[in-house]
Amino acid sequence: NAGVMQNPRHLVRRRGQEARLRCSPMKGHSHVYWYRQLPEEGLKFMVYLQKENIIDESGMPKERFSAEFPKEGPSILRIQQVVRGDSAAYFCASSLGTGIQYFGAGTRLSVL
Amino acid sequence: GDSVTQMEGPVTLSEEAFLTINCTYTATGYPSLFWYVQYPGEGLQLLLKATKADDKGSNKGFEATYRKETTSFHLEKGSVQVSDSAVYFCALSDDAGTGNQFYFGTGTSLTVIP
Repeated sequence: NAGVMQNPRHLVRRRGQEARLRCSPMKGHSHVYWYRQLPEEGLKFMVYLQKENIIDESGMPKERFSAEFPKEGPSILRIQQVVRGDSAAYFCASSLGTGIQYFGAGTRLSVL
Repeated sequence: GDSVTQMEGPVTLSEEAFLTINCTYTATGYPSLFWYVQYPGEGLQLLLKATKADDKGSNKGFEATYRKETTSFHLEKGSVQVSDSAVYFCALSDDAGTGNQFYFGTGTSLTVIP
């Protein structure tokens, strides 16, 4: 039973480009969560999604960031017109809706 | 609202020393409590959990007891090893409401030296 899969593991973008981060939840999980970890800081909640629905996006920046979890395929976190301050590790977690969240290995975004 | 306050690091210990990382929480309901560990360059892994008051979670020599009276979930290990060097996150999940919202502490970095 594969765990939470995130890709790419490392992503380099120049300022102004778009970054697309993918997350495939554990088999059978329909709840996905995205977190951001800035250097030397803890995890900050960004968004919570179920299939085709955004449940809680209270942690998402108001501009340039969006997330989706379509009926088919992985969850996508999209960052448009990236800036240097977006450089961070982005973690995805999945769950059955209650109980433990299982984390992926993360995508480390570097903005040049 | 719900929150977790975690002991600030970094913490540096000699091998075989005793470890305590403090964690206290604020919650309106009856949360579940977790410790996650993050090794360098990796994602978070569940270390242990407790779902109700007085439960003790344990794994790999680590223990934490859910204390409702002091709203605490301190992580302990009697004898740390170099391989325990990592960042440790305390978290709570309040299952009341829609889905399981997780709240994480800021993490405590542990370095164990030989």
